Amino acid sequence: QSVLTQPPSVSAAPGQKVTISCSGSSSNIENNYVSWYQHLPGTAPKLLIYENDKRPSGIPDRFSGSKSGTSATLGITGLQTGDEADYYCGAWDYTLRGGVFGGGTKLTVL
Amino acid sequence: EVQLLDSGGGLAQPGGSLRLSCATSGFTFSSYAMTWVRQAPGKGLEWLSSITESGGNTYYADSVTGRFTISRDNSRNTLYLQMNSLRAEDTAVYYCGRGGIGRTGVDYWGQGTLATVSS
Repeated sequence: QSVLTQPPSVSAAPGQKVTISCSGSSSNIENNYVSWYQHLPGTAPKLLIYENDKRPSGIPDRFSGSKSGTSATLGITGLQTGDEADYYCGAWDYTLRGGVFGGGTKLTVL
Repeated sequence: EVQLLDSGGGLAQPGGSLRLSCATSGFTFSSYAMTWVRQAPGKGLEWLSSITESGGNTYYADSVTGRFTISRDNSRNTLYLQMNSLRAEDTAVYYCGRGGIGRTGVDYWGQGTLATVSS
């Protein structure tokens, strides 16, 4: 069981929008920054969002992040088949004194 | 160009050891915290360990505390993960990354190195 809870899968059609939720607690999300990662197994993960809602250079504005209380959300608009991947939220956990990831969400672009 | 090159994976017996290395270039290594993450077969990403810029503070997941040791050599721009008392469940692809998950995120990653623990 992951400390951060994500839906196992989401799906949407090309061009549509999808959101991926990440639920935590006061030990992690509520009082720390959240980051989001895109990952295809066997390849290096890619940072999509840091500090809850900031995009690194080179990440298109189709990707957005938000946080409210103990939950965070990744939004992806204008879905493309190339967006099919696993998506993970991550945060620091004060109680565990370590980093934590969500269990991951598999995005399917139908 | 920022580059991270993981190495050191391979086959180890249960109870054995492996030492992973992450050679970096293209940035001021000593100015960044560094992180190790792994992905076991069929599983998600698991944060393992982070180390501060100077190496003065280290942090570990419960699953590896007491068995794994993170370290860095700022003169060689290299990050290490010493893995002892290996178990079958440590079989995974191991990734090094620049940054810390709770700060600015892990913004650059190595390509991963596979460690297999089996008799």
